[in-house]
Amino acid sequence: RKEVEQDPGPFNVPEGATVAFNCTYSNSASQSFFWYRQDCRKEPKLLMSVYSSGNEDGRFTAQLNRASQYISLLIRDSKLSDSATYLCVVNRTGGFKTIFGAGTRLFVKA
Amino acid sequence: GAVVSQHPSRVICKSGTSVKIECRSLDFQATTMFWYRQFPKKSLMLMATSNEGSKATYEQGVEKDKFLINHASLTLSTLTVTSAHPEDSSFYICSARADRGEETQYFGPGTRLLVL
Repeated sequence: RKEVEQDPGPFNVPEGATVAFNCTYSNSASQSFFWYRQDCRKEPKLLMSVYSSGNEDGRFTAQLNRASQYISLLIRDSKLSDSATYLCVVNRTGGFKTIFGAGTRLFVKA
Repeated sequence: GAVVSQHPSRVICKSGTSVKIECRSLDFQATTMFWYRQFPKKSLMLMATSNEGSKATYEQGVEKDKFLINHASLTLSTLTVTSAHPEDSSFYICSARADRGEETQYFGPGTRLLVL
């Protein structure tokens, strides 16, 4: 079993739709969590950090559930420009190890 | 946000040659830099953690004699792919973590390596 698992998708949604991604992690020593966005043939860019209290940045909302060991990303009012691969990222304690999920591909269509 | 550069952005070389990739943090000091490799439609795979002034820590399965890492200063780490072969063709990305207590990694734009 992979340490960080994501639904690879692809998710095909129309503009304006709300879409949610989930990610599960298996190592309870995981300390911090992030969502990154990666466009085709580009480097990952930080989208947002994820906190237990949940956090929101415009149309994006991230949630962390430590008890169930999953994190989520909700995108409201999808735009064409949201089309990308969304990577779930987990940092472990002890040597600062970063684990990337395989990513979830999102296509937003007009 | 913090800026990380990589050079070259793209390289094509013959099998058997060595290729050096530079990773620089432009506006912050980075004690730790990371090197990743990504194959098409696959996730980033951590190759090694580069620590300034000490030897890099390699992930299991990554040959340290083939992928030489030198973290010469707080703003520069280099990855040298020695005696490159076609199977080394990939997207190599570095990242750096700022030395100010943050856990966020800032990624370079990546280097596409094609070995013929």
